[in-house]
Amino acid sequence: DAGITQSPRYKITETGRQVTLMCHQTWSHSYMFWYRQDLGHGLRLIYYSAAADITDKGEVPDGYVVSRSKTENFPLTLESATRSQTSVYFCASSLGQGQPQHFGDGTRLSIL
Amino acid sequence: GQQVMQIPQYQHVQEGEDFTTYCNSSTTLSNIQWYKQRPGGHPVFLIQLVKSGEVKKQKRLTFQFGEAKKNSSLHITATQTTDVGTYFCAGLHTGANNLFFGTGTRLTVIP
Repeated sequence: DAGITQSPRYKITETGRQVTLMCHQTWSHSYMFWYRQDLGHGLRLIYYSAAADITDKGEVPDGYVVSRSKTENFPLTLESATRSQTSVYFCASSLGQGQPQHFGDGTRLSIL
Repeated sequence: GQQVMQIPQYQHVQEGEDFTTYCNSSTTLSNIQWYKQRPGGHPVFLIQLVKSGEVKKQKRLTFQFGEAKKNSSLHITATQTTDVGTYFCAGLHTGANNLFFGTGTRLTVIP
């Protein structure tokens, strides 16, 4: 879906570094989400946001920080990356709570 | 806890054979959604079921929501190579804020 874009698509960094993954949507959807996808675990929710300036923890929030100053952007920051955070990260958005979600293409993050 | 269990984890079928994946929850779901993720791609929404006992069809795909709203299934008739991918269910537990995704069923179709 062209309406939600993630950047970068690929990122390699070292442990201890800070890294920010970007997510931008053009639908004016209220809800936005960050998931990580690891083999055998499916999609696990990291953080979500119901609207600008409203964020909340998901299933696996430790080590991550989010912000949502504008409706269309929802960046995810790893403040001090660890190897266990190597994963594929997906951003998604939806019109409302529990509604179908639209996913970005994902960011493949490797932490050495 | 609020989990959605999905089986099987993997399924290999010959092209033309049928395929079914199942989702189960220990608690009642307000709705259940199904997504498909092609290899190297992102999850794409397929369908949402809301009513008890609901059945919906999309061409060769049949989706069911259990009477107790705790389980669901996706059935593909006469699989094709274009059906390859991972199928996820995602359930919204009653009173919960967000969807819980199952671990997915990875479908391989052998031509």
